[in-house]
Amino acid sequence: DVKVTQSSRYLVKRTGEKVFLECVQDMDHENMFWYRQDPGLGLRLIYFSYDVKMKEKGDIPEGYSVSREKKERFSLILESASTNQTSMYLCASTPPRSTGGYTFGSGTRLTVV
Amino acid sequence: GENVEQHPSTLSVQEGDSAVIKCTYSDSASNYFPWYKQELGKGPQLIIDIRSNVGEKKDQRIAVTLNKTAKHFSLHITETQPEDSAVYFCAASRNAGGTSYGKLTFGQGTILTVHP
Repeated sequence: DVKVTQSSRYLVKRTGEKVFLECVQDMDHENMFWYRQDPGLGLRLIYFSYDVKMKEKGDIPEGYSVSREKKERFSLILESASTNQTSMYLCASTPPRSTGGYTFGSGTRLTVV
Repeated sequence: GENVEQHPSTLSVQEGDSAVIKCTYSDSASNYFPWYKQELGKGPQLIIDIRSNVGEKKDQRIAVTLNKTAKHFSLHITETQPEDSAVYFCAASRNAGGTSYGKLTFGQGTILTVHP
């Protein structure tokens, strides 16, 4: 069964810490995405990548960066975590010129204290 | 950019009733409209999708309709069961090639509760 795996299910970090959220997919997909999910706001796109070492800003990139050194791995980085970044983070992937929907990971619930 | 509005935010029905969730979108170039179901503790899973060259699509108890002129699409669940209880998201994208990379814009989500 194809999978998108997010390394942590729950994470608690302190304000100001540098935080890494990892996502790995085993489907050889080119496109990978990071969304955050907040009640009443749905899923909002933070960053996406369409190839190794390529990245594009989504709708809410402020305070985040990403890294894609290998095709299967897409990392989301919070350079200096703040309490307003407390959220559920979802990673997803699709093949290029996708004719279907995303495959999502199970999510990482991040709490910044 | 695209904007997707989803209603209602919560929906409570009795088992066996039908449930309808509605979405509107702003970008007339959007051509792909998937629906996702998110169960507690899991990531969203695709349940049905529709493309702009089709007006309706059915898969057992679920169906999706699309009105391109009005720029709205709806999810219909018939004969609801308690296991249909979940959060449902609609989404839209320009998915057919080009430089969209399959980016989806999501609605705000609907919490569906089916009471036994």
